[in-house]
Amino acid sequence: EAGVAQSPRYKIIEKRQSVAFWCNPISGHATLYWYQQILGQGPKLLIQFQNNGVVDDSQLPKDRFSAERLKGVDSTLKIQPAKLEDSAVYLCASSSTGLDEQYFGPGTRLTVT
Amino acid sequence: AQTVTQSQPEMSVQEAETVTLSCTYDTSESDYYLFWYKQPPSRQMILVIRQEAYKQQNATENRFSVNFQKAAKSFSLKISDSQLGDAAMYFCASEYGNKLVFGAGTILRVKS
Repeated sequence: EAGVAQSPRYKIIEKRQSVAFWCNPISGHATLYWYQQILGQGPKLLIQFQNNGVVDDSQLPKDRFSAERLKGVDSTLKIQPAKLEDSAVYLCASSSTGLDEQYFGPGTRLTVT
Repeated sequence: AQTVTQSQPEMSVQEAETVTLSCTYDTSESDYYLFWYKQPPSRQMILVIRQEAYKQQNATENRFSVNFQKAAKSFSLKISDSQLGDAAMYFCASEYGNKLVFGAGTILRVKS
């Protein structure tokens, strides 16, 4: 079974630029999560999708971050414009129903200069 | 709000020895799950072990076991016969309502 795929693995941008990350969950998984992991901290949930609907985006900075999950499969997370404090690893995870184990992707390391 | 605290930023263990990583949590829920995740330098989060709060029996997975003290809200991870491949960042996490809340992590170093 293929795992959660993410791209790119690394991204370096200047502040005020925009960036997008892509996630492909495990086939058949209804629930998809995006986490932000700042260096030295544990992951923090940004947004949770159930199929193509948003379940929780309470910690998503909506003035600059947006996410979508078209057709309930792949998802993209966008930051526009980026700030220095957005430098972090962005992890995508998926689970079959949202009530079971979450499987994580390898993450995208974003550096904002 | 749920919080998870890992008070040990870094731990070291000699290969083949046993090490215990500490975790405390705060929740008002009666039904929840607790997890330990391993994150090696590759950044891939890997589930190590899971404990259901309503189960009194401590979970075990091969060399990994937990000491779950519900009243004290404590959930420590014991790694027996430590191996070089165990070196990683370990995160304790609690889950309720399908959401994971992570601690800050403990770096585990394994000495040969």
